[in-house]
Amino acid sequence: VQLLESGGGLVQPGGSLRLSCAASGLTFSNYGMSWVRQAAGRGLEWVSAISGGGSTYDADSVKGRFTISRDNSKNMLYLQMNSLRVEDTAVYYCAKEYRDTAMGNFDYWGQGTLVTVSS
Amino acid sequence: QSVVTQPPSASGTPGQRVTISCSGSRSNIGNNFVYWYQQLPATAPKLLIFRNYERPSGVPDRFSGSKSGTSASLAISGLRSEDEADYYCATWDDNLSGVVFGGGTKLTVL
Repeated sequence: VQLLESGGGLVQPGGSLRLSCAASGLTFSNYGMSWVRQAAGRGLEWVSAISGGGSTYDADSVKGRFTISRDNSKNMLYLQMNSLRVEDTAVYYCAKEYRDTAMGNFDYWGQGTLVTVSS
Repeated sequence: QSVVTQPPSASGTPGQRVTISCSGSRSNIGNNFVYWYQQLPATAPKLLIFRNYERPSGVPDRFSGSKSGTSASLAISGLRSEDEADYYCATWDDNLSGVVFGGGTKLTVL
């Protein structure tokens, strides 16, 4: 299993960014997926999760601003981030659940992509 | 401030046994499985313990997990220098309808 994130970069406060995660080596639709972020020198923070069938869950800190989605035909996971704030600056990891659930059982992780929100 | 609490730091000497705690409530640890992750510097986290005490293949049996009520623990026996890392507990929270991570514990091998 490999997870490869892309789409990070520098964006101004209030701007938008779309992260992508390309998954390989698995039957993608069979597994729940999440985005987890980590600000520099800080701990892990769960952001959003999506089941294989498309049910979604979001942390309160991103509700109404971030949207998680997936394209099972392309083995792709996405995170659309709108109304970005300075405090959203972090490395964003794509993580695979062990089963088609949202439980925090992440058996595979990507290498992360850095999002910097700054003017 | 996470709803699941870990000590910010822990330490031990080579060969020692150290324990890292993870404290929550009924809505998270009390009702759901606990997972533990190890994060070495500048790397992605790695699953260390799943479903409270089970080890993925490849994880040494020096690492063990346990859960009682609304608390969980990770124990590392026969401490080695390469165990120096950040350790995180994680679980689902029924009230938040989301995954919650503990704040992380930085383990130093003296």
